[in-house]
Parts: sequence; structure tokens; C-alpha cells
Amino acid sequence: SQQGEEDPQALSIQEGENATMNCSYKTSINNLQWYRQNSGRGLVHLILIRSNEREKHSGRLRVTLDTSKKSSSLLITASRAADTASYFCARALGAQKLVFGQGTRLTINP
Amino acid sequence: DVKVTQSSRYLVKRTGEKVFLECVQDMDHENMFWYRQDPGLGLRLIYFSYDVKMKEKGDIPEGYSVSREKKERFSLILESASTNQTSMYLCASRTQKTGDETQYFGPGTRLLVL
Repeated sequence: SQQGEEDPQALSIQEGENATMNCSYKTSINNLQWYRQNSGRGLVHLILIRSNEREKHSGRLRVTLDTSKKSSSLLITASRAADTASYFCARALGAQKLVFGQGTRLTINP
Repeated sequence: DVKVTQSSRYLVKRTGEKVFLECVQDMDHENMFWYRQDPGLGLRLIYFSYDVKMKEKGDIPEGYSVSREKKERFSLILESASTNQTSMYLCASRTQKTGDETQYFGPGTRLLVL
């Protein structure tokens, strides 16, 4: 399969805790992107990390990339109820297409 | 802000009907995409277009066709709807400019085929 693998498939934590989601892939990449999807809605772009970058931050989000292990992680710090959503990694296939993982469903409990 | 709109949030159709799903973007993006999303399968690319009247098959084009007559509009057509096409359909667009690889998604159309 060209799709990435995301781990875990589901994650439930208490509000205020940190959430970590992982993404692995099989072929080389130019960049890897993370998207969020609230229940029954479209996807929203969160962050893009390029193959020559190892770490990137955006607010409470931290993304790491290890090209030697073909893996990436998304860390959400100090989680909030509004972070409840599904999170997808996506890697570029060719110049224009993205291949999405199956996603991690994150639930933040109050 | 980029806005991608889809013609319907929910649709109910009968087997054999011809179904049109419309997508419009307002950012003059060259590329547009149609995905379907199913539980356990993630997002799968049906078709994409990188210019007016241009189209390319994605991973699961069977049973679908597309139309791009204007730059801002990309239509997905189910020629004869079947129950296995019950799914969430997501449209996306992006610019072809290098350095901006973000895809912008519409809210999705949930299609039920009876």
C-alpha cells in the first residue's frame, strides 16, 4: 500500500495532557503534512515539514520527522476539548498528489 | 481565506441514478481533487485535475467521471450510482506554485445510495 500507517488508531486522554501521534511511510518524501478533521467535516491543514527539516513548531503543535526511519510524529501539548478530532498525515506522491494515512482519532476528556 | 464549497452536505440517491457532486473554489487554484473517505480506509483519491479540461485518474476512478469546464469548478459524476458508492466525498484544491503544497478542503458531501 502507498498509504502511510498511523499509530495509534485511537487515543483518549485527559484535558491538559499531551497527545502524540505517529506516522510511518514506505518511500522517500519531499514533505509530509498533517491535517485535522473535525467530526463529519473537511480536513484542515495544520503543518508541513520538509524532508530537510527535523522539527517544526506551530503554537501547541510540534512535528518531528526522521527520514532514516521514515516516520513522523505530531505532538499536541496542553490538550483542550477543542482538539478532539481525527488527525491525518499525508505525504506527496509525485508533484501534486497527496497520499493520506488512515488517521488517529483523538478524544480529549474534560 | 481560501474557500472551497461543495454543493450539498447530504445527498440520498437511488441505485442507478446519475449523481453530480459540485465543488467550487475561490482562490484561482490550478489543481483540484476528489477523494472519498470510508471508515478504516482513510482518504482515497478518485480523480484530480491540474487545469481546465484536464483530468487524471487517481487510485479508485472506476464508476466515476469528472468535469472541469471552468477553473473554479470541478464536478464529480457517478454515472449509475451503486450502494458501494455510499461514502463521504471530499473536494480539495491547491495552487501549482512551488513552495505551497497545502491542499484546502471543502466540508464534504455525505452520499447515501439506497
